[in-house]
Order: sequence, then structure tokens, then C-alpha cells
Amino acid sequence: GAGVSQSPRYKVAKRGQDVALRCDPISGHVSLFWYQQALGQGPEFLTYFQNEAQLDKSGLPSDRFFAERPEGSVSTLKIQRTQQEDSAVYLCASSRGDRVSWELFFGEGSRLTVL
Amino acid sequence: AQSVSQHNHHVILSEAASLELGCNYSYGGTVNLFWYVQYPGQHLQLLLKYFSGDPLVKGIKGFEAEFIKSKFSFNLRKPSVQWSDTAEYFCAAMNYGGSQGNLIFGKGTKLSVKP
Repeated sequence: GAGVSQSPRYKVAKRGQDVALRCDPISGHVSLFWYQQALGQGPEFLTYFQNEAQLDKSGLPSDRFFAERPEGSVSTLKIQRTQQEDSAVYLCASSRGDRVSWELFFGEGSRLTVL
Repeated sequence: AQSVSQHNHHVILSEAASLELGCNYSYGGTVNLFWYVQYPGQHLQLLLKYFSGDPLVKGIKGFEAEFIKSKFSFNLRKPSVQWSDTAEYFCAAMNYGGSQGNLIFGKGTKLSVKP
């Protein structure tokens, strides 16, 4: 597609529920990233994929967070047993993957509110 | 810990005023530096980036930034702002040795331009 697409745009979950957030990157982009942006903060790195391989998951805050990209295209970020502190905007970004003209293209984000 | 600091949380200017937004980073090695902008209701977009070479970097929409290694700074400037520059601005740095997406963002500076 023309840009990075994320769904749902808004999600309200009760504490303890599982949620799944989807990211559809720009076609042909090798690299895909997830960031978490809490209110009043800058985005914080969660995890990074190159094709289907998850090369860095050092930013995932707990083992309740899980991300996958099984076919090297669409990615899903899953949060199990959501807690109120998980409320944030979850941003997905993709890039071509080459360092020469390195640029991240961001989606509009999925805003998660945990009640 | 590695970090990016933005000095101002909210800046209010009148049209045609000059703009300078401060950004400092704490890395000791080679860094790649970025400024991103988020217009109201839109996704994050790259304004400009510094990888190497000329420390004065020019970006889109008349913005520029200067990398001063001795001061660990990468301040964003624009000689004359417009109402359409109202947005939130994020400085970010990537550790050269890190994974491509491991950007460290500042907390952002909200710019409001009065017509």
C-alpha cells in the first residue's frame, strides 16, 4: 500500500483481556519495528524484524508482550492479560532496510486504553 | 543509559518568528541523528537526518539542524515559522552499533504557531 497501515486505530480493553494489534507495512519493506508511546512521552522501541526474523526484542516490557511476522510482511503485536500501564499508542514503522537512505515510515498508531 | 533530551516541552511563537528547538544526546560513539514531526492527527514523518559529513543538515519545509559533536547537540532551526508548522517535534538518535530500528526518542516539543 501507499503507507504503513495499522488496525485497529482505537482499542478499549478490560484489564486482563488479550489484545492483538496489526501492522501492514509498505510493500517490499524488509524491516519492521514496533514502538510504544505513552501519553506525553516520545516513542519507545519495542522490537524489530528483518523479514520474518525477530532480530531485537529487547524493548518488550514483559513476557506478556509478543510480536510476530510469520511471512515477512504483516506483523501482529499481542499483549496478554492487559494491565492499565499498557495503555499507550502502539506505533508500527517499516523501512527498506538499507543504511544508505535509512528512513522509518510510521503508521498512525493503535491507541490502546485498558480500563 | 543512552538518552535524548529535548529542552522545551511546549513552545509558542507568532508567525514569522525564528525557531530553535534544542536536542542533546548522551551517546559516546558514532551516532545517527534525526528529527521527526507529527502534525495534528497525522503519523510521524521524517524532517531531516544526519549520518556523517556536513554537520549542517537541511530538511523539508525549510528546516535545518546542526550537529555539534563537542556539545552532543542536534538543534532544529527554522528562520521564519508558519502557522502550518504547528506540530510536535521529536529528536531521535540511533546507536550506530544497534539494530536499525533501535531509535531513542526524546519526549518531544510541542510547537504552537499563532497566526
